[in-house]
Amino acid sequence: DTGVSQNPRHKITKRGQNVTFRCDPISEHNRLYWYRQTLGQGPEFLTYFQNEAQLEKSRLLSDRFSAERPKGSFSTLEIQRTEQGDSAMYLCASIARRGYEQYFGPGTRLTVT
Amino acid sequence: GESVGLHLPTLSVQEGDNSIINCAYSNSASDYFIWYKQESGKGPQFIIDIRSNMDKRQGQRVTVLLNKTVKHLSLQIAATQPGDSAVYFCAEKRPRGSTLGRLYFGRGTQLTVWP
Repeated sequence: DTGVSQNPRHKITKRGQNVTFRCDPISEHNRLYWYRQTLGQGPEFLTYFQNEAQLEKSRLLSDRFSAERPKGSFSTLEIQRTEQGDSAMYLCASIARRGYEQYFGPGTRLTVT
Repeated sequence: GESVGLHLPTLSVQEGDNSIINCAYSNSASDYFIWYKQESGKGPQFIIDIRSNMDKRQGQRVTVLLNKTVKHLSLQIAATQPGDSAVYFCAEKRPRGSTLGRLYFGRGTQLTVWP
C-alpha cells in the first residue's frame, strides 16, 4: 500500500453513462497525475495537477474527460458519455514537493458495456 | 510517438537465477528513469530509480544500469523469487521545463519465475 487510494476500484457502466473516479494522494504531496492503462500496455499520461492548478493535459484527454483538484488535496476524474474505448485502468499517482518518485494508487478499472 | 520500449515482452526464469530486463529509450534529454513492478490488478510499485548523471545504482537484490550512449536501461534482479513474478515497466522523465515531470512508460515485460 503506497498511501494513495482510489475509489471505486472497479466500475462497470453502460455506454453513454457518466462516471466519476476519486483519487486521494498522500497528504503532503502537492503534485498529482492521472494515467490510463490498457491491457498489455504501460500507463499513459492524462493530466497533471500542482496543488489545485491543472498544469498539463494530454491529447488523450478528450472533451468528454474532465479532472479537478479543488482544494489541492483529492482529485476527481469524470468521463461523460462513456464509450467502449474508455474501458481501461485509470491510475492516479502523487509526488512530494521536492521529490521525484511517483507513488501510484491501485487504480480504478472501468468497463464500458 | 513516445518511446520507451522493451526488448522482450516475456521472460521466464528459474527460482534462484538472476533476471535481466532490458529497456530502450529514445529521448536523449530524459534525465530520470524508474523501474516499476506491477502485479495483476494493482498499480505500479516503485522498485528503483536512477538519474541521468549516474550509470549504475543498486538496491536490495536489484541493480539498474544506464547506458546513455546507446540509450539503454536494464534491471537486474538477483536470486529471483516467485514473488518477483509480475510485469516490469521502465519509465523515463523528460526535463521539467518541457513536460512538467510526467513519466513515459514502455510496454512492459512479463517476468515469470518457475520453481
